[in-house]
This record gives sequence, structure tokens and C-alpha cells, in this order.
Amino acid sequence: DQQVKQNSPSLSVQEGRISILNCDYTNSMFDYFLWYKKYPAEGPTFLISISSIKDKNEDGRFTVFLNKSAKHLSLHIVPSQPGDSAVYFCAARKNNNDMRFGAGTRLTVKP
Amino acid sequence: ETGVTQSPTHLIKTRGQQVTLRCSSQSGHNTVSWYQQALGQGPQFIFQYYREEENGRGNFPPRFSGLQFPNYSSELNVNALELDDSALYLCASTRQGPNTEAFFGQGTRLTVV
Repeated sequence: DQQVKQNSPSLSVQEGRISILNCDYTNSMFDYFLWYKKYPAEGPTFLISISSIKDKNEDGRFTVFLNKSAKHLSLHIVPSQPGDSAVYFCAARKNNNDMRFGAGTRLTVKP
Repeated sequence: ETGVTQSPTHLIKTRGQQVTLRCSSQSGHNTVSWYQQALGQGPQFIFQYYREEENGRGNFPPRFSGLQFPNYSSELNVNALELDDSALYLCASTRQGPNTEAFFGQGTRLTVV
């Protein structure tokens, strides 16, 4: 069952512009959402998270927005940098248990 | 503070064999989860260990089993390997409690031939 979906397998943006990565989920019991970044030959690296009681969390260039009614979250990166090029995974969790991941979106930031 | 480490980094096994993968959790983390990541997919939850007990399991057959040790390190064992078990196996550690992020190791790339 695909409870977390990232419908865009890839995204390409120009350096300095905004990158918006989207994620949809189906399980309303999820209470914590996370974004991970993954480079080839490395494990996923935690980027930013948001609790279901919030609708926005910001950390430097990264902002995550949560729309519970739409069961949708997005990650905004601004300004985008070439070093941001990686695969980004959205993950959702309930009751501090296992995370359910989307299939990932490959972001390419062009200089 | 040491991060999550996994061993080995790469492994080639023959169908039908058994394999053990190892994970050392991050300092201060008492919960370890294992994930399988097939090519082009997101990580899939295998199981989680907390205080040396299995604390949740995903949709994986019983030939996938695990252990957690008193120092919170963990093992993933897979018996009767199948070709489809070829994947990147990821270990993640967390502190028990709400709203805590998981930190991943670099993974073990298992190839079954």
C-alpha cells in the first residue's frame, strides 16, 4: 500500500530559483512528517521535519508546509544551489513508529 | 558523538544462502529500525527494535529476522536468500519519544546472484 506518494520522479531548476518538492499521503493517522536528502552511495540525511499540529516549519533555506485537510506537504528550497542536487524523500510516521517513505524526487539544480 | 555505522558496505551472496548485516546506532539512541531500498524506490520498513525487543514489523516474511543488543547495536538476518532480496539495506537509529528524527547509516548493498 502506497501511503506516501511523491508523484514527480524528477525536478530541474535553475540555481537561485525556488525548488518545490511535493508529497501526498493517505493515512490521516500520520502525526510527524520528515524530509530526507540522499546522495548516491550514502544513506539518507535528515533535512527538516514538521509535526501534524503545525502547518509550517522553516530552517534556513528550507521550509516545509503541511496541509492536513489536503493530506499534502511540500518542501521549498530557496534559493536553490547546485549542491542541493540529490534525491529527496518524503516520510510520514505515526506514534513514533516506522516511517513510510515516498519513492523520491530527483532534484537537479543547474548552475 | 558517533553516527550510525553499518557493515559491511557491500556484499555478494548466492541464492539460498544466509546473510547477517550489522548496525551500530548513534550515541544516545535506543531504537533501531531497518529498511530495504530497492532500485528506484523509497525505503521500505522491515522492523524496529527497542530495548532488545521487536517493536513493529513491516510486510516482510519471517526469514527476515533481527536482534538488538544491550549496547543498542543491531543485526539483520536474512535466510534463504532470493534474487529479489538484492537491495540497499538501511539502518536508522532514534531516541524513543515523540517528534524525533531518525538518522541513517550509509547502508549495505546486498547483491544476490
